[in-house]
Amino acid sequence: ELKVEQNPLFLSMQEGKNYTIYCNYSTTSDRLYWYRQDPGKSLESLFVLLSNGAVKQEGRLMASLDTKARLSTLHITAAVHDLSATYFCAVVTRGGGSEKLVFGKGMKLTVNP
Amino acid sequence: EAGVAQSPRYKIIEKRQSVAFWCNPISGHATLYWYQQILGQGPKLLIQFQNNGVVDDSQLPKDRFSAERLKGVDSTLKIQPAKLEDSAVYLCASSLVGQPQHFGDGTRLSIL
Repeated sequence: ELKVEQNPLFLSMQEGKNYTIYCNYSTTSDRLYWYRQDPGKSLESLFVLLSNGAVKQEGRLMASLDTKARLSTLHITAAVHDLSATYFCAVVTRGGGSEKLVFGKGMKLTVNP
Repeated sequence: EAGVAQSPRYKIIEKRQSVAFWCNPISGHATLYWYQQILGQGPKLLIQFQNNGVVDDSQLPKDRFSAERLKGVDSTLKIQPAKLEDSAVYLCASSLVGQPQHFGDGTRLSIL
C-alpha cells in the first residue's frame, strides 16, 4: 500500500525567507502532484511532476521530483504572506485498471510579516 | 469553463440520521471521484467512477456509504446512518481520463 509522508507538517516562517518542504512516498510512481488549499476552500493544483528530475517553477515556488529516491521537494523563495496555506503532495498509484491519488497529510504554512 | 459544483456547502445532522451530497462534474469529464477529508488530514479517496461504472470503491465503508452516477454525469454520495467519525469535508473531483483532477469546494458535514 502506497504511503505518502510530508514534512514538516507545520511551518511558521518570516517573509523574505527561503525554505524547502519534503514529500516522501513508499512505492514506485511516475506522477506526483502538489496542491494548495486555503482555509475553507478546495484544492488548487500547483504542479504535476511526470518524470525523474522534473523541475517546475511558478512564482516563488519550485517543485522537483526524484523518482529513484521517491522524494519530491517544494522550495519556497523569499516567502510572502500570500503563500500562507496548506500544501499537499499527492502520488499517483495504479491498480485494477484504475489510477488514483494518495495524499500526504499536508503542510500548513504560515508566513509572518 | 465551469468548475465542479457541489451542494450543499454545509450540513449539520445528528448521529444515526441520513445525509446526501450532490456533485456535478466539469462537462465532458468521464472520471468522477469522491474524497473524504478529515480535519488535519489529506483527502482520502472513497470511490471513483468512470462514466457510470465504479472503478474503485475499496475504501468506501459500504455498510453505511453509497454512491451512484446513474447517467454518467451527476453523482450523489449518501451516508446512512451517520456516525460521529463521519464529520469531515466531502470533496468531489472530476477529470478527463489520465488528466489532473479538478476539485469542487466540498461539503462540510458536522455530526452532532
